[in-house]
Amino acid sequence: DQQVKQNSPSLSVQEGRISILNCDYTNSMFDYFLWYKKYPAEGPTFLISISSIKDKNEDGRFTVFLNKSAKHLSLHIVPSQPGDSAVYFCAASAIGAGSYQLTFGKGTKLSVIP
Amino acid sequence: EPEVTQTPSHQVTQMGQEVILRCVPISNHLYFYWYRQILGQKVEFLVSFYNNEISEKSEIFDDQFSVERPDGSNFTLKIRSTKLEDSAMYFCASRVYSSTEAFFGQGTRLTVV
Repeated sequence: DQQVKQNSPSLSVQEGRISILNCDYTNSMFDYFLWYKKYPAEGPTFLISISSIKDKNEDGRFTVFLNKSAKHLSLHIVPSQPGDSAVYFCAASAIGAGSYQLTFGKGTKLSVIP
Repeated sequence: EPEVTQTPSHQVTQMGQEVILRCVPISNHLYFYWYRQILGQKVEFLVSFYNNEISEKSEIFDDQFSVERPDGSNFTLKIRSTKLEDSAMYFCASRVYSSTEAFFGQGTRLTVV
């Protein structure tokens, strides 16, 4: 069962443009969402997170938007840089239910073209 | 910058053998995790560990798996009798008490032949 879905396996964006990565979830218990970036042969690196009490969180070039009614979140990267090329994972946890385990999506491979 | 370190980076073992994967979490972190990623699939939660006991585990984490914190710095995952389907990348992660963000190690690639 895919409780966290990233429907786009890959995305190509021109350098300097906006990258938008999408994520949907089905479990209503999820109340905390995170984005991780992963380079080949490395572990996932934490990027940005958002609690369900917010609808937006911004950190430099990275902004995460949460639409709870649609059970949808997105990660915006502006402007995109070649170094952003990596696999991006959306993850969710149900902290209010006492669970800090992360449920991951399958990932979206972002390629930023110089 | 502090990081989670895992050893070895690659382990090849024969089916039926026991393996121990090792992790050194970030020093002030109190919660420890193991995840795995089978090739081509998503990262899956295995187990979480706090205060010297398992706090959560998934259905993947059956009697063949165990975790231990043998001393103040190491956190280990043992697989008693490896199967071919245990071949995967295993990630250790840790977090502080006051944060929800888990920090991951670089992974151990386990190949069961």
